[in-house]
Amino acid sequence: AQKVTQAQTEISVVEKEDVTLDCVYETRDTTYYLFWYKQPPSGELVFLIRRNSFDEQNEISGRYSWNFQKSTSSFNFTITASQVVDSAVYFCALSEALTQGGSEKLVFGKGTKLTVNP
Amino acid sequence: AAGVIQSPRHLIKEKRETATLKCYPIPRHDTVYWYQQGPGQDPQFLISFYEKMQSDKGSIPDRFSAQQFSDYHSELNMSSLELGDSALYFCASGAGGSQPQHFGDGTRLSIL
Repeated sequence: AQKVTQAQTEISVVEKEDVTLDCVYETRDTTYYLFWYKQPPSGELVFLIRRNSFDEQNEISGRYSWNFQKSTSSFNFTITASQVVDSAVYFCALSEALTQGGSEKLVFGKGTKLTVNP
Repeated sequence: AAGVIQSPRHLIKEKRETATLKCYPIPRHDTVYWYQQGPGQDPQFLISFYEKMQSDKGSIPDRFSAQQFSDYHSELNMSSLELGDSALYFCASGAGGSQPQHFGDGTRLSIL
């Protein structure tokens, strides 16, 4: 069965601090996809990044970076120089590939609520 | 770019009433998903459709049903509403394979 664990329920930082959100996953499939979504207080779910199980390259996008390590089944997310606008709930999610086409449902972690204080 | 459109954005119902939520996916996306997010919870998968056929089913109550129409829009029908059905309901669409699911802004359903 698929499972995503985000051990940090809430994190509070001061603006300009770096912060890392942890994500550990479980799956029996060899082909799967990992995602991060952001949910600001307004409630919408915003896609941030997708990584497939064969691509372990780390990625940097502006102040965001992601560290995918299959050996530890982790897909951690770092925000550098955090800003107040980064305050949101961040969800890590997992989906498995379907052989017959289409996309598999997302299994979400419980989310990490990040508060960035001025 | 076109996004997933959900309507209505807010809906207030009373217990035992029915509700219909609508979802218009991104054009050329072949898969539609419905998720339910209770207060302070993570989104939970309800049901999905691939090319207008039901492709997967999650923890969807028997009181709920859904379908995808010929124009690819989808509707989630909810009957005998209960207080516990109060939640944010998301529709997402995807282009298949490894493509990410893109979510609508959600419908906030409140049961009084």
